[in-house]
Amino acid sequence: EVQLAASGGGLVQPGRSLRLSCAASGFTLDDRAMHWVRQPPGKGLEWVAGISWIGDRIVYADSVKGRFTISRDNAKNSLYLQMNSLKTDDTALYYCAKAYCSSLNCHFDYWGRGTLVTVSS
Amino acid sequence: DIQMTQSPSSLSASVGDRVTFTCRASQGITNYLAWFQQKPGRAPKSLIYAASSLQSGVPSRFSGSGSGTDFTLTISSLQPEDFATYYCQQYDTYPFTFGPGTKVDIK
Repeated sequence: EVQLAASGGGLVQPGRSLRLSCAASGFTLDDRAMHWVRQPPGKGLEWVAGISWIGDRIVYADSVKGRFTISRDNAKNSLYLQMNSLKTDDTALYYCAKAYCSSLNCHFDYWGRGTLVTVSS
Repeated sequence: DIQMTQSPSSLSASVGDRVTFTCRASQGITNYLAWFQQKPGRAPKSLIYAASSLQSGVPSRFSGSGSGTDFTLTISSLQPEDFATYYCQQYDTYPFTFGPGTKVDIK
């Protein structure tokens, strides 16, 4: 069974950093593109970042470009999101999502359990 | 960025009803359109991809159609477990964008 579980969220002050992890099981991460998507409390979904299967292509939403870094360690079956210079607008539940294929132009087929990031002083 | 709109924003329906809701893209996305279902406190679940292809394991009462800019999701006979919020998403062009959702609740 495919499972994804995000972790690493918490309460952090504006301007500080946080690193999210996504552990994958039930499939081999290294032949799938992966994404992060976030959802502010009570609101809709916003795509954040995506990375191809070997990490040679990475894309970001303008709202996080230059502050967030997506990466992956296929040997550990894990995906990461390094979030720097956090703003209150970054407060959201962060989900990792698996793409159906290895490239970035592909639909999502599984979503993981999210992790809540709260940015507040 | 491609803007996605959905209508209605919410609807009330009864078990057994046939329900249809729509999604519109601000520019053509061929058929690079997905639908997701989200229940309160849960992660989204993939239902439809490529506008009309059913994700593995999704019941056949769900169906999608459309191409270009206009798309629909239909539930042929609403079941109790279908009360949720439904989002469309375009994956034609980065940044990928989602519609604001349609909430389906019990009449």
